Amino acid sequence: SAVISQKPSRDICQRGTSLTIQCQVDSQVTMMFWYRQQPGQSLTLIATANQGSEATYESGFVIDKFPISRPNLTFSTLTVSNMSPEDSSIYLCSVGSAGALYEQYFGPGTRLTVT
Amino acid sequence: AQSVAQPEDQVNVAEGNPLTVKCTYSVSGNPYLFWYVQYPNRGLQFLLKYITGDNLVKGSYGFEAEFNKSQTSFHLKKPSALVSDSALYFCAVRDDRYGNKLVFGAGTILRVKS
Repeated sequence: SAVISQKPSRDICQRGTSLTIQCQVDSQVTMMFWYRQQPGQSLTLIATANQGSEATYESGFVIDKFPISRPNLTFSTLTVSNMSPEDSSIYLCSVGSAGALYEQYFGPGTRLTVT
Repeated sequence: AQSVAQPEDQVNVAEGNPLTVKCTYSVSGNPYLFWYVQYPNRGLQFLLKYITGDNLVKGSYGFEAEFNKSQTSFHLKKPSALVSDSALYFCAVRDDRYGNKLVFGAGTILRVKS
């Protein structure tokens, strides 16, 4: 499976600021995804990061709040904009291999606290 | 749309005893089913998957899961629990009619006591 790293591993940010989270994979992957895990809750898909085109967002998530970049097949960023305490969560990137039948592998996550 | 239910918030089992973590799902197409484990302050680790074929699938760390289409279930099992198995377990489903989206259950905390 791919080795996935995320930066930063954790951060404490002030309300109204923005944070960009990086996800780096050690091999080229077709699919990259961003998830949010709010405290004590399950994972929710934010968006699919598409290489060379705009990300595909799930219901309830918008580009202005969570802009995503994917400049190549090994790297993606997620920005959490104009943060509020409700954005305090763990943000995880995941990757999937090509083909119709695959599992996703997850990075270690970024623990964000907004004060 | 697809959905997953994990009916137990927590499962307690004694070390050496068999364990079962329950999962049921709902999809409109064919299900692709997954189990993940999350240890404290760490990301999710893939345990096993069911795509097609044998209903009993084997995965990492001695875990296995049984796909039951009639009961729309995919319970995670292990014949003999270890204290180190204590963690948060997530069941996830992908509906082949809805592309690559994984939907996760709420998670079940497994506590194995020595």
